[in-house]
Amino acid sequence: SAVISQKPSRDICQRGTSLTIQCQVDSQVTMMFWYRQQPGQSLTLIATANQGSEATYESGFVIDKFPISRPNLTFSTLTVSNMSPEDSSIYLCSVGGALGTGELFFGEGSRLTVL
Amino acid sequence: AQTVTQSQPEMSVQEAETVTLSCTYDTSESDYYLFWYKQPPSRQMILVIRQEAYKQQNATENRFSVNFQKAAKSFSLKISDSQLGDAAMYFCAYRSAYSGGGADGLTFGKGTHLIIQP
Repeated sequence: SAVISQKPSRDICQRGTSLTIQCQVDSQVTMMFWYRQQPGQSLTLIATANQGSEATYESGFVIDKFPISRPNLTFSTLTVSNMSPEDSSIYLCSVGGALGTGELFFGEGSRLTVL
Repeated sequence: AQTVTQSQPEMSVQEAETVTLSCTYDTSESDYYLFWYKQPPSRQMILVIRQEAYKQQNATENRFSVNFQKAAKSFSLKISDSQLGDAAMYFCAYRSAYSGGGADGLTFGKGTHLIIQP
């Protein structure tokens, strides 16, 4: 399984500011996925990031609010822009497992609190 | 679009007993994967067990087993000999097998909070 490191682990942010979350994987992966988990809720896919192309966003998520970078096969960033208290969530990075298994592995998540 | 439903927001079981968590899903696809993930308070998502839709045999991983009923679109998780460390949120998840190289993410249910009574 891949080892996925996320930074920051947690942060408290002011309304109107932006924060960038980093995701580092210990092996090269084609796809990286970003999820949001609002308090007490399940995980919702924000976007899929493929190296060398623009991220693909799910319905309800837009690039201006959640810009994503994928500069190489082991790294990605998710920025939460112009934050409001509704953006207070855990943001998780995920990558695929061995080919044909369908598995996804997750980082420990970044807990953001917006005041 | 696929949906995953977990109808039990919370379940409680005595230590050493057996508990079954329910999950149903809706899809028009014939080939897909189903998963149970565990999320303890540390918030790390941990893969518990995986089932491929084309396999009739139910997956097992030590104390964890599933009852996969493809026609009924049901995928329940049985935890035997429950331990205190099993206490967590359990999420059922679906992933299409037609993802052309793994482009699709997982669709999750709302989760079941499992409490283990000592």
